[in-house]
Amino acid sequence: QVQLQVSGPGLVKPSETLSLTCAVSGVSIDTYSWNWIRQPPGKGLEWIGYSYYSGYAKYKPSLKSRVTISVDTSKNHFVLKLRSVTAADTAMYYCVSIKEGRSSIESWGQGTLVTVSS
Amino acid sequence: SYVLTQPPSVSVAPGQTARIPCEGNNIGSKNVHWYQQKPGQAPILVIRYDRDRPSGIPERFSGSNSGNPATLTISRVEVGDEADYYCQVWDRDSDNYVFGTGTQVTVL
Repeated sequence: QVQLQVSGPGLVKPSETLSLTCAVSGVSIDTYSWNWIRQPPGKGLEWIGYSYYSGYAKYKPSLKSRVTISVDTSKNHFVLKLRSVTAADTAMYYCVSIKEGRSSIESWGQGTLVTVSS
Repeated sequence: SYVLTQPPSVSVAPGQTARIPCEGNNIGSKNVHWYQQKPGQAPILVIRYDRDRPSGIPERFSGSNSGNPATLTISRVEVGDEADYYCQVWDRDSDNYVFGTGTQVTVL
């Protein structure tokens, strides 16, 4: 059973970089794709992107210019970096694993709320 | 980019049946997954691969995807089913994951 624990600052200033880490346990990190999903307050779910341990990554086109997702196999975690944030990036951020392209998201972590404000 | 459209809200009386549609181009060719999200909680998977129910999900939840739209059906609705429901697919062409716009189910 995959267990995921997200950590990172809950407050980020506008124009700075949001950085979140998701610790993986219960499974080898070289198996699934490692994804980030967010949900602005009162709004719907938005997939941000994923990365494999190999470094292959895919991002939502509208975020692609500002996003990097990387996998650190030595630490068994993966990282989201979102640059040049604005208030529109305020959201609950979830990290999840997906087995393969067409698979469902079997379990979700608790998520972390990130607020962008000065 | 691929878009999934759901009605913003569905209202249903206790004991009745709620049907939540999810519309997308050629959706019948994709695997549709459904998630339930209650206020303040993370989503949980209620239907995967169009119609498969994960362990622990009541039989009252069912799914179908034989064309546009895909549908999540909740039979014998209970007050505890009040939540937001999202459909989700993987778009092979773009290798992107896409969520529906979400439907709030209200039990009258």
